[in-house]
Amino acid sequence: AQKVTQTQTSISVMEKTTVTMDCVYETRDSSYFLFWYKQTASGEIVFLIRQDSYKKENATEGHYSLNFQKPKSSIGLIITATQIEDSAVYFCAMREITGNTGKLIFGLGTTLQVQP
Amino acid sequence: EAAVTQSPRNKVTVTGGNVTLSCRQTNSHNYMYWYRQDTGHGLRLIHYSYGAGNLQIGDVPDGYKATRTTQEDFFLLLELASPSQTSLYFCASSDAGTGCAETLYFGSGTRLTVL
Repeated sequence: AQKVTQTQTSISVMEKTTVTMDCVYETRDSSYFLFWYKQTASGEIVFLIRQDSYKKENATEGHYSLNFQKPKSSIGLIITATQIEDSAVYFCAMREITGNTGKLIFGLGTTLQVQP
Repeated sequence: EAAVTQSPRNKVTVTGGNVTLSCRQTNSHNYMYWYRQDTGHGLRLIHYSYGAGNLQIGDVPDGYKATRTTQEDFFLLLELASPSQTSLYFCASSDAGTGCAETLYFGSGTRLTVL
């Protein structure tokens, strides 16, 4: 069965520093998609970045990048040069490809506080 | 930009009440989802659908029904609401399975309170 685990409940960093949020996943599928989403204080949930399991290169998108370690079933989110507005809850998610069920499972989220 | 619209934004009902939450997406996505969000539990999948007339059971389906009437519209029904269903509900859509547009687009959420 699919499972996504985010062990860090909350993180606090100083503005302009780099932060890494951890995520590990469980799947029996050899092909899958991994995502990170951000939920702002207003409650809005937005897509940040995605990693396809069959791609070896780590995905990057603006000041977001991923540390994909497939043997460890790990997909860390790295935010460089953090800004106050990066303060939010960050969710890791996974969708298995085989069977094409479309089912997307989320972790419990990590709250990031960026301090001035 | 994909648009997913949920209604109502807020809803208060009583135990045993009948509630319907509505969701409409305007990008002809094949998949639509209903999640509930609760403190300490993250986002949990209730039901989802890959097209009109289709329904798939999620991870926390008990007490919920859903119906996908068209490609655009997905409804979540609580026929005998209970206080345990007090939550923030999100609808989302995606083109899962295409390999190119897997991203989920979320609505703004419906806050449901069952007294």
